[in-house]
Amino acid sequence: DGGITQSPKYLFRKEGQNVTLSCEQNLNHDAMYWYRQDPGQGLRLIYYSQIVNDFQKGDIAEGYSVSREKKESFPLTVTSAQKNPTAFYLCASGTGLNEQYFGPGTRLTVT
Amino acid sequence: SQKIEQNSEALNIQEGKTATLTCNYTNYSPAYLQWYRQDPGRGPVFLLLIRENEKEKRKERLKVTFDTTLKQSLFHITASQPADSATYLCALDFNNDYKLSFGAGTTVTVRA
Repeated sequence: DGGITQSPKYLFRKEGQNVTLSCEQNLNHDAMYWYRQDPGQGLRLIYYSQIVNDFQKGDIAEGYSVSREKKESFPLTVTSAQKNPTAFYLCASGTGLNEQYFGPGTRLTVT
Repeated sequence: SQKIEQNSEALNIQEGKTATLTCNYTNYSPAYLQWYRQDPGRGPVFLLLIRENEKEKRKERLKVTFDTTLKQSLFHITASQPADSATYLCALDFNNDYKLSFGAGTTVTVRA
């Protein structure tokens, strides 16, 4: 089964804790992306990576960190510095100037 | 700064009718524009990509137009069905750097 997996689907954390969201793809795509979606808003880009061991900040990178040690994996850490971490997080992959393939998302709730 | 605007109001239509969604953008003209479908609580699914040199593209009951002079794309769902009910997002790569900017989406509800 090819595609992108994100885990877990739902995540609950206490304020002040770091949390890492998993994203794995077996589509052999070079590019991977992390987006955040809040109710009634479009997707906003957090970080993206076009190649292993390289990544760039998106529009709202503050309070987040990523790594890209393997082509298949692009985990996102939501740190305690992120002021409003509760959101729906989406991971995607793509080949470049074409469509992106999205995972099922992780809904993070921080209280 | 670049901006994408989609129909801000939800669209409610009768089964069998055509739904028309609008995506307007400002400033730079992107090389291509994409449309995605998103169901509640799920990730978006790619539907269509149209390039700047293409005026129209079709896929089954879907039709997309791209007017770079008006800086607008129209997305049509013909012979709509209740299963077409979803939120539709348009996305643009403003700088041709593999980064997509998304509109807020238009929610379509098709009544049987």
